[in-house]
Order: sequence, then structure tokens, then C-alpha cells
Amino acid sequence: EAGVTQSPTHLIKTRGQQATLRCSPISGHTSVYWYQQALGLGLQFLLWYDEGEERNRGNFPPRFSGRQFPNYSSELNVNALELEDSALYLCASNTGTAYGYTFGSGTRLTVV
Amino acid sequence: QKEVEQDPGPLSVPEGAIVSLNCTYSNSAFQYFMWYRQYSRKGPELLMYTYSSGNKEDGRFTAQVDKSSKYISLFIRDSQPSDSATYLCAMIAGNNRKLIWGLGTSLAVNP
Repeated sequence: EAGVTQSPTHLIKTRGQQATLRCSPISGHTSVYWYQQALGLGLQFLLWYDEGEERNRGNFPPRFSGRQFPNYSSELNVNALELEDSALYLCASNTGTAYGYTFGSGTRLTVV
Repeated sequence: QKEVEQDPGPLSVPEGAIVSLNCTYSNSAFQYFMWYRQYSRKGPELLMYTYSSGNKEDGRFTAQVDKSSKYISLFIRDSQPSDSATYLCAMIAGNNRKLIWGLGTSLAVNP
């Protein structure tokens, strides 16, 4: 069984640009979650998508947005990039329970 | 005060030692408690989860939750060099799917 796949692995952007990160969940998983893992701050919840709808959102500005497609894959968009957006962005999926999240290996975003 | 506190370590032990990892929390609404392991350049991997108070054992790993003290633990018996990683605790309240994480404890098991 293929795990959660994320692309790209690494992304380097200039301050003010936009970044798009992609996630494919495990087959059969309908919920997708996005987390930011910044140095010294730990994992911070960004977004939860289920059945194509945004279900919950963490304490991040509106320039962090995303969507979930009919095949349950998901996209995270970060607009007007700032230096402090540099972090590992992790995607997770599950079948809709409150536990048992499977994570991908992440996208390392560097803003210069 | 952070909702979840975890000593970042680093923790260094000899192979075969018993390792104790701990987290404390302040939100009494937390119901699910999870331990993840994260190797360098990888995403977190779920080791164990526990609902409410009690103990749970899986092979060399034992998770304990004491809700009265707001304290959770992960014990690793007969530790191996392959256990060297960062261990993260995570908790969730209700069904909002918003995992709250500790900062992680870096563990090195020396052969």
C-alpha cells in the first residue's frame, strides 16, 4: 500500500512569491490534514479537509489556504511568502477518526 | 504556558536500557493521546495511541496516561540503536482533529 505522498520534496522561493504544495493521501482515506513544523515551534495544525470541504483551520493568516480535490488529494497554497514561512510542511491522512494519522515525508519550503 | 510540555533532551542511553519519555499538559479536555516517532528528514510515524487514562502495551513499547496528573509517558524496553529518533507526544480534544504536539524529545541509543 502506497503511503501519503507529498511533492515537491524541496521548494525554494523568494519572499513575496507564492508556493503550492501537493499531497496524495492513502487510498481510501478521505481526510487530509496539513501541519507546519518550524524549528523551535514544533508541529502546528494548519488545515483539515474532508470530502472536499475545509472542516477546521489553525491559527494561521488567510494567505495560507488550500483545497481538496474529488480524488481526495489536496493542495496547500501559501501566498505572499515571508521568511518565517520557511519550515517543513507535513500532510497526513486518515479514514475520518480522531486518531491514527499517517504522515508523508513533507515538503521543505525555504523562503529567501 | 504551552498546552503540551515535553523535555527536548537530548537523551542518550546505552543499548538495552529502559527509556522513559514524558509529556505534561494543561487542557483537561484532551481525550486521545498519541506517541509518534520521527526520523531525520521523515514525517512522524504513529507508535501508539491511548484513549483516556490507562496503559497500553505493544511489544517493547508501553504508553501510560494519568489524566488526574495530566501526565503521559512512553516506555521503551531493551532499547536498540534503531530507536534513535525524535519522539513526539500529541493530544486531541473532541473531534476537531486539531492535534496539539509537544516539541519532541531527541533520543540516541548508543551501541
